Amino acid sequence: AQKVTQAQTEISVVEKEDVTLDCVYETRDTTYYLFWYKQPPSGELVFLIRRNSFDEQNEISGRYSWNFQKSTSSFNFTITASQVVDSAVYFCALSEAKVGNDMRFGAGTRLTVKP
Amino acid sequence: DAGVTQSPTHLIKTRGQQVTLRCSPKSGHDTVSWYQQALGQGPQFIFQYYEEEERQRGNFPDRFSGHQFPNYSSELNVNALLLGDSALYLCASSLVGTGGSEAFFGQGTRLTVV
Repeated sequence: AQKVTQAQTEISVVEKEDVTLDCVYETRDTTYYLFWYKQPPSGELVFLIRRNSFDEQNEISGRYSWNFQKSTSSFNFTITASQVVDSAVYFCALSEAKVGNDMRFGAGTRLTVKP
Repeated sequence: DAGVTQSPTHLIKTRGQQVTLRCSPKSGHDTVSWYQQALGQGPQFIFQYYEEEERQRGNFPDRFSGHQFPNYSSELNVNALLLGDSALYLCASSLVGTGGSEAFFGQGTRLTVV
């Protein structure tokens, strides 16, 4: 069975602070995919990143970076120098490599960045 | 390039009624998945349609049904509405393939059952 845990329900930071959102997953498959999505108040889920289970390289995209560690089943997301526009709910998701592309989402972390 | 579009954006229904939600996938995508997102929770997978057939289904009762048309657009139908069906319903489109395909989401339909 697959499961995604985002233990941080809400995080509040002041602008320009760095913040890390945690994601821990469970799966029995050896081939799987991990995702991060951002959900602003408008409701649409915005794709941020996809990582497959064979690629443990960390990735950096502007102020965003992701740390994937299979040894601890974690896929953490860091925002550097946070901005007010980063305020949103962030979801981590897991998809096993099978026909159907069923994504299992975590409960989400609400990030508030204060000016 | 139009992304995923859903209609209507908001809907209020009475318990016991039936509702139909609609989704047009992103141009070039042929697979549509539906998710239910209750307030304060992550989206939960309802089902996925490909080639006009339901390919996979999550843990939802038969009151939830769907359809995919030849142009890849899709409908989600919910019968005998319950108060607990109140949620944001999200449609996601992707290209056919195994799990891991990048999914693009619409803005959702917020359903309120009273």
